[in-house]
Amino acid sequence: GAVVSQHPSWVICKSGTSVKIECRSLDFQATTMFWYRQFPKQSLMLMATSNEGSKATYEQGVEKDKFLINHASLTLSTLTVTSAHPEDSSFYICSASWTGEVDTQYFGPGTRLTVL
Amino acid sequence: ILNVEQSPQSLHVQEGDSTNFTCSFPSSNFYALHWYRWETAKSPEALFVMTLNGDEKKKGRISATLNTKEGYSYLYIKGSQPEDSATYLCASVYNQGGKLIFGQGTELSVKP
Repeated sequence: GAVVSQHPSWVICKSGTSVKIECRSLDFQATTMFWYRQFPKQSLMLMATSNEGSKATYEQGVEKDKFLINHASLTLSTLTVTSAHPEDSSFYICSASWTGEVDTQYFGPGTRLTVL
Repeated sequence: ILNVEQSPQSLHVQEGDSTNFTCSFPSSNFYALHWYRWETAKSPEALFVMTLNGDEKKKGRISATLNTKEGYSYLYIKGSQPEDSATYLCASVYNQGGKLIFGQGTELSVKP
């Protein structure tokens, strides 16, 4: 149990376009979802935390207007990278937790974004 | 800025070798330490969540210990197998349901 999927697994886009990444909890209701980013040779860094039906809380230094997060249901959160630029190229990964296990995060497999 | 460090960054061992690696974290206001196993192209898999000083957890051939006073955790793999090849991540947490602060990971490669 506790499976999280992410789509797409990789995406290539042109500079200036927007890209949407989906994160779904397949067999549980995710009250909280998290979005992380990983640059090469670096740690997973939390970008934002979202609770279902609420606005996301962004970490310091993460532009909320650039990285739009929507957590409209208990099984789906989306991250939209708006007006993507080459420096946004990175590995994006989501995780989810639920009320019965608030201290455990279940991760998706991640999305590799390349902006040309 | 909270910084979690893992060492070594990478490790190459032969099948059957036992190995261990370290996760160091700030001990002040510590709440929990997580270990994950991450195979390429898959989701990170939770191995352990540890909270108590002196705690030791075991899952098959993998075990972990925790020292919250000095801020470190060890992960041990006994009799490494090729299927153990993965990146092992640790992450510390400083309040219930709080954010995970990850180390860079230790990449383990086990050769048959």
